[in-house]
Amino acid sequence: SAVISQKPSRDICQRGTSLTIQCQVDSQVTMMFWYRQQPGQSLTLIATANQGSEATYESGFVIDKFPISRPNLTFSTLTVSNMSPEDSSIYLCSVEREGGSIYGYTFGSGTRLTVV
Amino acid sequence: GENVEQHPSTLSVQEGDSAVIKCTYSDSASNYFPWYKQELGKRPQLIIDIRSNVGEKKDQRIAVTLNKTAKHFSLHITETQPEDSAVYFCAASGGSYIPTFGRGTSLIVHP
Repeated sequence: SAVISQKPSRDICQRGTSLTIQCQVDSQVTMMFWYRQQPGQSLTLIATANQGSEATYESGFVIDKFPISRPNLTFSTLTVSNMSPEDSSIYLCSVEREGGSIYGYTFGSGTRLTVV
Repeated sequence: GENVEQHPSTLSVQEGDSAVIKCTYSDSASNYFPWYKQELGKRPQLIIDIRSNVGEKKDQRIAVTLNKTAKHFSLHITETQPEDSAVYFCAASGGSYIPTFGRGTSLIVHP
């Protein structure tokens, strides 16, 4: 499977500030996604990161709050903007497994964000 | 969109027993059903998956079954071991293969 490097692994941030999370993949992938996992909860899709165009956001998530970049087929960033304690969560990027999306998806190691 | 229900939310078994986790889905067009295992503090890992043209798939101690008519699928773990303790997520997806996840089942295997 593709090897994903996600940074930072954790951070503690002040409310009102922003944090940018990076996801680097060791091979070119077509599909790349960002998920949020609140403590003890399931995985909720935030958006699909599209190379060369705006991200596609799921219901309840907006670009002003979660701007996403995808400059090429191996890299993406997610920014959590104007943070509040409710944004405390684990954020994970996900990409298709080797061979394509037909074989499912693999996840980065996650970023544990605490907003104080 | 797709809706995936997962039960139970918590499952406690003795080492050596079997464990079964059940999921239902709403979209009859879904055709790919992966299962993920997430150990505490770690990323979700794909452990097994099944496609709609198959009714059952087995990999050592784990197996998945799929009933497309009833729109439900299950994960079976036999001879459970303490290292099987984790949160398990089922998921369903259609042509895009983008998974919709269930709420997760916390499996606790007591030595």
